[in-house]
Amino acid sequence: TGVTTQSPASLSFSLGETATMTCRASESVGSYLAWYQQKTGQVPRLLIHTASTRASGVPARFSGSGSGTDFTLTISSLESEDVAIYYCQPYKNWLTFGSGTKLEIK
Amino acid sequence: QVTLKESGPGMLQPSKTLSLTCSFSGFSLSTSGMVVSWIRQPSGKSLEWLAAIDWDGDKYYNPSLKSRLTVSKDTSNTQVFLKITSVDIADTATYYCARSPNDWYFDFWGPGTMVTVSS
Repeated sequence: TGVTTQSPASLSFSLGETATMTCRASESVGSYLAWYQQKTGQVPRLLIHTASTRASGVPARFSGSGSGTDFTLTISSLESEDVAIYYCQPYKNWLTFGSGTKLEIK
Repeated sequence: QVTLKESGPGMLQPSKTLSLTCSFSGFSLSTSGMVVSWIRQPSGKSLEWLAAIDWDGDKYYNPSLKSRLTVSKDTSNTQVFLKITSVDIADTATYYCARSPNDWYFDFWGPGTMVTVSS
């Protein structure tokens, strides 16, 4: 079973800024990577699949990139509603979620 | 619309068997490529995929928990079940079921059911 590593563990940004977080897989997963958003007390919500495809209803402010072992989630024009923990999940060969990146607004 | 809902005992004692049910609507588990998974999340921690069953009845398990897990579905393809044997305090978590339409990402989730293992 592979290892999924997310960094940083937490981020703090001002409204309107751009936040970037990374996910690293211990071996290549091609483009088989998803990102989820989980707000406090809520169910995880699919944001991105296949590394860069936004799920239905997800604003264009959310974008994913990368392939192989290194992936990035970028959130532009940050809004207060973006406060959440973001998880990545490879889905080639293993299904281990990352430990999450907590996004806070200054 | 697609909905999933988990149900479970709420609380059970260590060493017992945990039985969970996922009831869903808005899609058919008999559709080629469809998968329903169980995922859990201890309070304040990340998500852990546990098990899945697909449209063809094939079953998949987290290798680290495989010996304790059994996933199944009903013949009408509207419910999926999970049994976890010999539970202990470390199994205390919110348990989710989630759908994977064609690949192994999860596009719809149930609201989760909280399970506490305590004597």
